[in-house]
Amino acid sequence: AQKITQTQPGMFVQEKEAVTLDCTYDTSDPSYGLFWYKQPSSGEMIFLIYQGSYDQQNATEGRYSLNFQKARKSANLVISASQLGDSAMYFCAMSSQGGSEKLVFGKGMKLTVNP
Amino acid sequence: DGGITQSPKYLFRKEGQNVTLSCEQNLNHDAMYWYRQDPGQGLRLIYYSQIVNDFQKGDIAEGYSVSREKKESFPLTVTSAQKNPTAFYLCASSANRDRTEAFFGQGTRLTVV
Repeated sequence: AQKITQTQPGMFVQEKEAVTLDCTYDTSDPSYGLFWYKQPSSGEMIFLIYQGSYDQQNATEGRYSLNFQKARKSANLVISASQLGDSAMYFCAMSSQGGSEKLVFGKGMKLTVNP
Repeated sequence: DGGITQSPKYLFRKEGQNVTLSCEQNLNHDAMYWYRQDPGQGLRLIYYSQIVNDFQKGDIAEGYSVSREKKESFPLTVTSAQKNPTAFYLCASSANRDRTEAFFGQGTRLTVV
């Protein structure tokens, strides 16, 4: 069975600083996908970044990058130059076979960006 | 604009009643999903459908039912058999291919009164 672990319940960061959100995973599938979603207080889930298990390079999307360490089974999200609008819940998720089918989510962590 | 629409945003249910949550998408996605979120928790998969007229149980399907008669629509019924239905429900859709993310609706908050 797949499992996602997010151990940081909450983090605080100053505006314009970088922050790393931790995510470890467990799976026996050889092929899988890793996702990060942001959930603001309004409730919708916003896709941020994707990493495939066979990708050789770490994924990047604007201010977001994913620090993928396959041997350690970690997929940490790095947000550079934090903005006030980054304050939200962040969820790490994974799927087998690389697509969005049957996503397994972690419990999430709350990020607060201070001015 | 393309997207996923869930309605209603807030829903109140009396004990013993069935209620249906609506989910419509105009993204031309084949796959649709229903997730449940409890306070302080991640999302858990209730049901998913990869094609019209076919759907599969997720991890917590007991007390729920779905239908997929149209590609655009995937309604979720919370039946009286669901003993603890108060939660936030999120609908999502995705294209049926690798390396593709799921797009989510705004959610429906269901409260049993």
